[in-house]
Amino acid sequence: QVQLVQSGAEVMQPGASVKVSCKASEYTFTNYYMHWVRQAPGQGLEWMGLINPNSGSTNYAQKFQGRVTMTTDTSTSTVYMELSSLTSEDTAVFYCTRGDCSGGSCQRFDYWGQGTPVTVSS
Amino acid sequence: DIQMTQSPSSLSASVGDRVTITCRASQGISNYLAWFQQKPGKAPKSLIYAASSLQSGVPSKFSGSGSGTDFTLTINSLQPEDFATYYCQQYKSYPLTFGGGTKVEIK
Repeated sequence: QVQLVQSGAEVMQPGASVKVSCKASEYTFTNYYMHWVRQAPGQGLEWMGLINPNSGSTNYAQKFQGRVTMTTDTSTSTVYMELSSLTSEDTAVFYCTRGDCSGGSCQRFDYWGQGTPVTVSS
Repeated sequence: DIQMTQSPSSLSASVGDRVTITCRASQGISNYLAWFQQKPGKAPKSLIYAASSLQSGVPSKFSGSGSGTDFTLTINSLQPEDFATYYCQQYKSYPLTFGGGTKVEIK
């Protein structure tokens, strides 16, 4: 059974950086992209970007360009998402979701992590 | 960016009802359209991809249709566990974008 297990909740100061992890299991890690999605309290879903674990290549939403960094550790099948220069508007739940590459797209989400709440507050 | 517009934003329905949710893309996306279900405090769950294909394990009471710019999600025989928020998403081009969501509530 495919599993994506994310790191725990974080409380951060404004201006700080947060690094969230997503550990994958029960599938070939390098065969699927990993995407990150943000959800502010009471709001909808917002795509942040993706990483190809096989090559390390990334594609970030313009809104997050310059503030987000996605990395991968193939030895532990873990993907990381780091968001810097945090403000209160970054208070949200962050999800990793696997991008299925069947059909050549890698943009179709199938499995999701449980979510990591991040609170930005002084 | 491709804008995704869902309607209605919320609806009330009774157990056993059939409900239909609409999603419109600001430009043609062929069938690169997915639907997700999200319950309060939980991660989204993937329901449908390629506009009409069910994800593995999703019951056939859920169905999707459409192509181009107009899409629908239909839920037959609504059950208590189906009350949730539903999102559409286009994956034709980056940035991937979601609709604003439709909250299905109990009447």
